[in-house]
Amino acid sequence: QQPVQSPQAVILREGEDAVINCSSSKALYSVHWYRQKHGEAPVFLMILLKGGEQKGHEKISASFNEKKQQSSLYLTASQLSYSGTYFCGTHILGPGTSYGKLTFGQGTILTVHP
Amino acid sequence: DAMVIQNPRYQVTQFGKPVTLSCSQTLNHNVMYWYQQKSSQAPKLLFHYYDKDFNNEADTPDNFQSRRPNTSFCFLDIRSPGLGDAAMYLCATKRGRLSTRDRVDSSFGAGTRLSVL
Repeated sequence: QQPVQSPQAVILREGEDAVINCSSSKALYSVHWYRQKHGEAPVFLMILLKGGEQKGHEKISASFNEKKQQSSLYLTASQLSYSGTYFCGTHILGPGTSYGKLTFGQGTILTVHP
Repeated sequence: DAMVIQNPRYQVTQFGKPVTLSCSQTLNHNVMYWYQQKSSQAPKLLFHYYDKDFNNEADTPDNFQSRRPNTSFCFLDIRSPGLGDAAMYLCATKRGRLSTRDRVDSSFGAGTRLSVL
């Protein structure tokens, strides 16, 4: 039931781009993206709710393909501050509920070098 | 600012000595989650509440219990901590209604790092 992220790790130079993918074997209602720095709690980046939806936050954007049960996070012109572990969280509805539970992928470690 | 507060930030307990971690929120979110996160791993859901409706994950050990006396507070009780329970414990809240209009859909507390001696 845990979503699968790829790649497991990415190493970039400042200014380079990266894509992190998240896929699920179960039908998704929404996808959440978080960034976690070492020793800190995850920080919410964005939520995608509808199939085909795309959203952006600064130079970080994401897409959600509901039919393929996949989401991708795009980091453009990466900055040193982007370093951290990125988690996708998938939200699967339970019967008779409108909120479901939030389950995380295994994480993608992003390292940005000067 | 509205936020999720976990206390304490660091907790040291002895093997087998009961411990309680607390979480409070000012967001008025319906849903509260407890996650366990070990080093280099994803947060693992232990249980969650929708208001007072409690949902336990099938693989959450009986050693872990939770209480939510009101909307604002949620507690994690570990009845007999073992060495394997040393981890970061994260509390998170979420709006009951899914919406992309709100900038923040869910929030995490800073976590409590539990050490078991």
